[in-house]
Amino acid sequence: QSALTQPASVSGSPGQSITISCTGTRGDVGSYNLVSWFQQLPGKAPKLIIFEGSKRPSGVSNRFSGSKSGNTASLTISGLQAEDEADYYCCSYSVRTTYVFGTVTKVTVL
Amino acid sequence: EVQLVESGGALVRPGRSLNVSCAGSGFSFGDYAMHWVRQPPGKGLEWVAGISAYGGTIGYADSVKGRFTISRDDARNSLYLQMNSLGPEDTAWYYCAKDLNSWYEKSWFGPWGPGTLVTVST
Repeated sequence: QSALTQPASVSGSPGQSITISCTGTRGDVGSYNLVSWFQQLPGKAPKLIIFEGSKRPSGVSNRFSGSKSGNTASLTISGLQAEDEADYYCCSYSVRTTYVFGTVTKVTVL
Repeated sequence: EVQLVESGGALVRPGRSLNVSCAGSGFSFGDYAMHWVRQPPGKGLEWVAGISAYGGTIGYADSVKGRFTISRDDARNSLYLQMNSLGPEDTAWYYCAKDLNSWYEKSWFGPWGPGTLVTVST
């Protein structure tokens, strides 16, 4: 099982909304509501921003939202801000590998 | 506030061993599962190993199974990763992460430490 598939880059202007997709298989994203999303700022450790598909940890902005349809999960960032410029990873439980991460999406704020 | 701090990263020769540690504070360490996740410099994330609260169940990625051993000492609020037979492919930042639950499977990684760098090279 290789990594979940994410777009390499997504960009948007301040205030816009962007969506990052995360495509897996029936053995991971499709079978479990166990998708999480992480934000990684340059030189920092990843930070959990979405878990159980759509829940936000305490302190995470409600501009971040998650959803899932079939084998694809999505992260939407609303009201894009300069501080959202970072790398984003999805992650899912997998029957084959326990956990599998996505391939990273670099978000650029224009 | 939850804090995790890894230590023990170093430059090691291929075939050698290394033990990295993670000290936790700000939460009841023994009540939560813990994980190690690694990231080669400039590359993506890979789950390495997980251990349930009280150490009852443990799991490893296929890439490290038989070479790495995860363990915990709840009295010391510490998580460990013993790495044997290291190869260049093991070069990475090693992060410890606190689970949101007491079990390590079908769960989520919460707070992470800043990481410790392990470099395997001649």
